[in-house]
Amino acid sequence: EIVLTQSPGTLSLSPGERATLSCRASQSVSGSYLAWYRQKPGQAPGLLIYGASNRAPGIPDRFSGSGSGTDFTLTISRLEPEDSAVYSCQQYDTSPWTFGQGTKVEIK
Amino acid sequence: EVQLVESGGGLIQPGGSLRLSCAASGFTFSTYGINWVRQAPGKGLEWISYIDSSSTTIYYADSVKGRFTISRDNAKKSLFLQMNSLGADDTAVYYCSRGYSGSYHTPFGYWGQGTLVTVSS
Repeated sequence: EIVLTQSPGTLSLSPGERATLSCRASQSVSGSYLAWYRQKPGQAPGLLIYGASNRAPGIPDRFSGSGSGTDFTLTISRLEPEDSAVYSCQQYDTSPWTFGQGTKVEIK
Repeated sequence: EVQLVESGGGLIQPGGSLRLSCAASGFTFSTYGINWVRQAPGKGLEWISYIDSSSTTIYYADSVKGRFTISRDNAKKSLFLQMNSLGADDTAVYYCSRGYSGSYHTPFGYWGQGTLVTVSS
């Protein structure tokens, strides 16, 4: 099983700042089959990034994904108040598909 | 518009059984693999089961293997999860989720609103 470890656990930043979220895999994720999801309280998760760096439809270009192998990053270039949420990474390379534990982004 | 609507959750005693359903609309149901994902209160997401479009390939997480059974009815555009021998650790919101594309390696592009299962005496 591929274990995904996200850091930090919580990120507290001001509007306009840059957020950098990390997702590290216990073994290489082939094909860059790595996705990022955003989840707001009481809501289902929503797809943000797939294939490590491809934005899902409707996702603004403030969100970008990068990385390969075992190290992946989600960057939010200019935080807005509505970006307050939990962000989770997921690998869909090898069953069982696994998720990271999530990073909570708080907007001051 | 792709829609997934889960139902069947509720309060169940330890050791009991429950059957969840997921009704799909807005896409050709018979051409997509579907997953069940759960989220315990205050915890992260946990994938628990996958079924491909023709019910040929089925996977389970170790945490539910032997207790849960996934199935689908393509004619009724519905997905099911039969859950047996439920324990407190199974308390969670259960989501059905469709792949973004119809291929095997695809992220979870569409999600239902979830149904809450509470296992408690």
